[in-house]
Amino acid sequence: DTGVSQDPRHKITKRGQNVTFRCDPISEHNRLYWYRQTLGQGPEFLTYFQNEAQLEKSRLLSDRFSAERPKGSFSTLEIQRTEQGDSAMYLCASSPGKKTNYGYTFGSGTRLTVV
Amino acid sequence: GNSVTQMEGPVTLSEEAFLTINCTYTATGYPSLFWYVQYPGEGLQLLLKATKADDKGSNKGFEATYRKETTSFHLEKGSVQVSDSAVYFCALSDRRNAGNMLTFGGGTRLMVKP
Repeated sequence: DTGVSQDPRHKITKRGQNVTFRCDPISEHNRLYWYRQTLGQGPEFLTYFQNEAQLEKSRLLSDRFSAERPKGSFSTLEIQRTEQGDSAMYLCASSPGKKTNYGYTFGSGTRLTVV
Repeated sequence: GNSVTQMEGPVTLSEEAFLTINCTYTATGYPSLFWYVQYPGEGLQLLLKATKADDKGSNKGFEATYRKETTSFHLEKGSVQVSDSAVYFCALSDRRNAGNMLTFGGGTRLMVKP
């Protein structure tokens, strides 16, 4: 297992289009997190899953955003009707569960540019 | 709520200089503290952590001590290298929150010149 994988690395889309990103966590990790990082800022929490259950969503996650983790393994993040303000790096992270005091493992991110 | 404040960058140093990046936090609970590093074009990597007061986290020559009395977790390195050039993020995790989400500071860019 080589870590957390995210696909694609880069996505350019026109305003109004839908986009979907994928994250494959470390296989034995049952927690999966999505964060958003805008240019020059620190990452901000969006949502997280414990296995297949989505347990918390940030107020940053508008109705246009939806995340799934259907079998408790990989996750997808979809943005509908993209806006220029959605341009950011979307980071996925995973952790083994309760012992997240020890930090997560992050993927390399998907950079979204909405034109 | 929880928040993390870092010194603004960029911080520009010559190779072998001493590094300090300041980080202070506000938390209603008793958080765990982290430093992450982000190299160009890559995701965040955990650099070091501390889970209770007076703990010192260390890795790759970097150190930070959890100071509850000053709510600080400053990052230090005695002699920086060009390869340390990156963006450094201070973060906290509130253990009262079952999800253990991370709250990040804004990041500090470090540039080390040969």
